Amino acid sequence: QQQVKQSPQSLIVQKGGIPIINCAYENTAFDYFPWYQQFPGKGPALLIAIRPDVSEKKEGRFTISFNKSAKQFSLHIMDSQPGDSATYFCAASQDKAAGNKLTFGGGTRVLVKP
Amino acid sequence: DVKVTQSSRYLVKRTGEKVFLECVQDMDHENMFWYRQDPGLGLRLIYFSYDVKMKEKGDIPEGYSVSREKKERFSLILESASTNQTSMYLCASRRQGLLVVKLFFGSGTQLSVL
Repeated sequence: QQQVKQSPQSLIVQKGGIPIINCAYENTAFDYFPWYQQFPGKGPALLIAIRPDVSEKKEGRFTISFNKSAKQFSLHIMDSQPGDSATYFCAASQDKAAGNKLTFGGGTRVLVKP
Repeated sequence: DVKVTQSSRYLVKRTGEKVFLECVQDMDHENMFWYRQDPGLGLRLIYFSYDVKMKEKGDIPEGYSVSREKKERFSLILESASTNQTSMYLCASRRQGLLVVKLFFGSGTQLSVL
């Protein structure tokens, strides 16, 4: 049973478009929500993260929106570029739980066409 | 920058073979992890280790074991490889800390079991 559900599985947008990836979680004890970006042939790398005390966080062209009551969060890529083509994973963890392990979503493959 | 190195990029093994996947990190991180990555399932945690000689089962430990004799090295062992263990295996490390959850990943080992 996946504790973090991610959609869609794949996404194609034109350059300049805004791909949006959504994640939903079940465990209300989760208190840290990162996004990882993975390019072909590489391991995932931390892109941006949010904690539930804020509803939005921006870093460059990447924005996380967080809805605590709905137990959902999403990643928006503003003015997307072909170099943003990658697989994106959302994740969640509990800081104070043993090991504060990350639980990952299923991933979204994003293709930005020139 | 942290470097997490996985010994093989591609590996082909036969059913029933004993398989060793090696991972080395160079930043003196206490925590190390093994994940497997499958399309649509995201990253699933197999085993993790808080420190030398310590190990904990993740979400899918069946058919796997691990070894951590030195702080920088974390090995994943498939005692008797099966075709359903064909997957991408990712090693990760992280500095120990209550609020520190950033994982640093290796580039992965694509294992095919025939």
